[in-house]
Amino acid sequence: AQSVSQHNHHVILSEAASLELGCNYSYGGTVNLFWYVQYPGQHLQLLLKYFSGDPLVKGIKGFEAEFIKSKFSFNLRKPSVQWSDTAEYFCAVKWVSGGYNKLIFGAGTRLAVHP
Amino acid sequence: GAGVSQSPSNKVTEKGKDVELRCDPISGHTALYWYRQSLGQGLEFLIYFQGNSAPDKSGLPSDRFSAERTGGSVSTLTIQRTQQEDSAVYLCASSLEGGANEKLFFGSGTQLSVL
Repeated sequence: AQSVSQHNHHVILSEAASLELGCNYSYGGTVNLFWYVQYPGQHLQLLLKYFSGDPLVKGIKGFEAEFIKSKFSFNLRKPSVQWSDTAEYFCAVKWVSGGYNKLIFGAGTRLAVHP
Repeated sequence: GAGVSQSPSNKVTEKGKDVELRCDPISGHTALYWYRQSLGQGLEFLIYFQGNSAPDKSGLPSDRFSAERTGGSVSTLTIQRTQQEDSAVYLCASSLEGGANEKLFFGSGTQLSVL
């Protein structure tokens, strides 16, 4: 079955530190990849997405993610985090071949950024 | 409407009772998802409606769970004979299409508590 794994459940950083959140999915085929973010008290919202082309994608608020097909990974990065990045981050994958069209989310990573 | 609307926002019920959760997607959105969010479990996929296609029910955890989408718009998730382990936040999301422009818009969720 398709699955999405996020390696870190909780991450604590100081402001200006660099961030990398891991995301792996269960097997290959053609995939669409997403990162969603949930700020405290707010709805989930899209941070960035990859469908095709350049495997390094840029999102809002200085976030980026790199798709590495050979590793089935789509890690999220930010060079310098801010207190306002405190949130829960979810990786999501849609397999678009073989009739699997639903969007599967990982368990999420809670990021706390201390001033 | 302006966004995805879910009702009720909170529901407290007794074990063994049936509950109905409602989702009003953004007008014109063809894709509709139900997810369940529990602490430490991320977003668990429940069911996916896309246009007039048969829904993908593969995530429903038991036959006590069912969902329907009437007229391609409003959706209702029904849980029969509720159990304490059904307590969670039930999230609905919709998107314009299930293709390259896919971007899910989430509702605020229904917090279900089964006593």
